[in-house]
Order: sequence, then C-alpha cells, then structure tokens
Amino acid sequence: GAGVSQTPSNKVTEKGKYVELRCDPISGHTALYWYRQSLGQGPEFLIYFQGTGAADDSGLPNDRFFAVRPEGSVSTLKIQRTERGDSAVYLCASGEGRNTGELFFGEGSRLTVL
Amino acid sequence: AQKVTQAQTEISVVEKEDVTLDCVYETRDTTYYLFWYKQPPSGELVFLIRRNSFDEQNEISGRYSWNFQKSTSSFNFTITASQVVDSAVYFCAWTGTASKLTFGTGTRLQVTL
Repeated sequence: GAGVSQTPSNKVTEKGKYVELRCDPISGHTALYWYRQSLGQGPEFLIYFQGTGAADDSGLPNDRFFAVRPEGSVSTLKIQRTERGDSAVYLCASGEGRNTGELFFGEGSRLTVL
Repeated sequence: AQKVTQAQTEISVVEKEDVTLDCVYETRDTTYYLFWYKQPPSGELVFLIRRNSFDEQNEISGRYSWNFQKSTSSFNFTITASQVVDSAVYFCAWTGTASKLTFGTGTRLQVTL
C-alpha cells in the first residue's frame, strides 16, 4: 500500500540484546518521526528527520537509542543493550516538507523485552 | 513546558448520543498548533484536524466539530450522533514551531449499540 510501513510488527527479545526497527515512509515525504507509546499513554517524541539529517533528537532517552535515515527515505531505529523498560510500541510517522503536525502514522512495532 | 491534559480517561455512550472530548493545553508560546488524532484498535494514529493559535473559528466536518477557546486554553472535540465505528482512543496534541507533537494521554471512547 501507499501508507507508512513498519517492520517487524512484533519483536520479542531478551534483556541486553540489540534490536532494529524499520520504517518505510510514504514516498516523497521528507519529514520522518519516531515516537514511543507505552500502554495507556500518548505517544512520546523520540527523533525527527528532515531528509537525511536528524533535525531534533531531543526525545531519545539515552545513548542506547540511535536512529538513521541514510538515503532520506527508510529509517532504522536501533536500540542497544535493551532493558525491560524499553518495552513499548514504537511508532513511525512521515509528513510533507517542513511539517506542522499533519502526520501519517504506521501501525507500529511492538517491542517486548523479557 | 508545554502540556496537554485530557482528563477523561474513558467515555462510554450509546450509539446516536452526542459526546464531547475535552482537551486543555498549557503553553507560553504565542504561535502554536493544536491537533486531534484518532487511534483505532489497529494502532495507527489518524489525523483529524489542525488549528493554529490565531484561528479560533470553530470547525465542523460532518458529525465532527471542534471548539477552540484561547481564553480557557481548551480545544474540545464533539462527535454528534455517535456510531460504533467511532470507538477508538482519541488524542489531543500540541506543537509550537518545532514540529514535534506533544500528546495528551488520550480518551478511550466506547460506543455501544
């Protein structure tokens, strides 16, 4: 389809392992966002890309979290040495240009750290 | 710091009832945008509306309407003649000029027959 695609939809891992989550945005959208949503909460901002560069990474909780978007389309969120507190749904969204909030979200990647 | 409060955690209504979802925000910015998003059980958030801080005109789109009042820092959302398909979690959100959204905790709406 033409929407935002996220893989995997579900990921179960053990504490201390490395995880990669992938986002394929809508074609032509230059803005790409990662959010994290815990149970019963609203999404929390992690990082924003405009093109290939991270325009705002102020939401990344610590240096175990890193994201890339090398060619300005697909993005990968990388989490090192996972902890149980990292368990959440990771949402990706894309938008046009210098977006002012009208975002198109994927269905998310549910990460469970045992 | 900016904050969005959705005091209603869960609302249950019977189909055809009208329902209003409340949203209160806090900001010192003069330029900002407010939003409502819908999150159905499938999980992806769906954009419903954006208002900027200079436009307090209320908006109606079909059965949906929005009331923005700067005097009370509120941006409430009303669904008229609710339907079962309206069942979802609804999020109010805020952004300044930085593009990233600050979301409220959401209101779960359950519409039953």
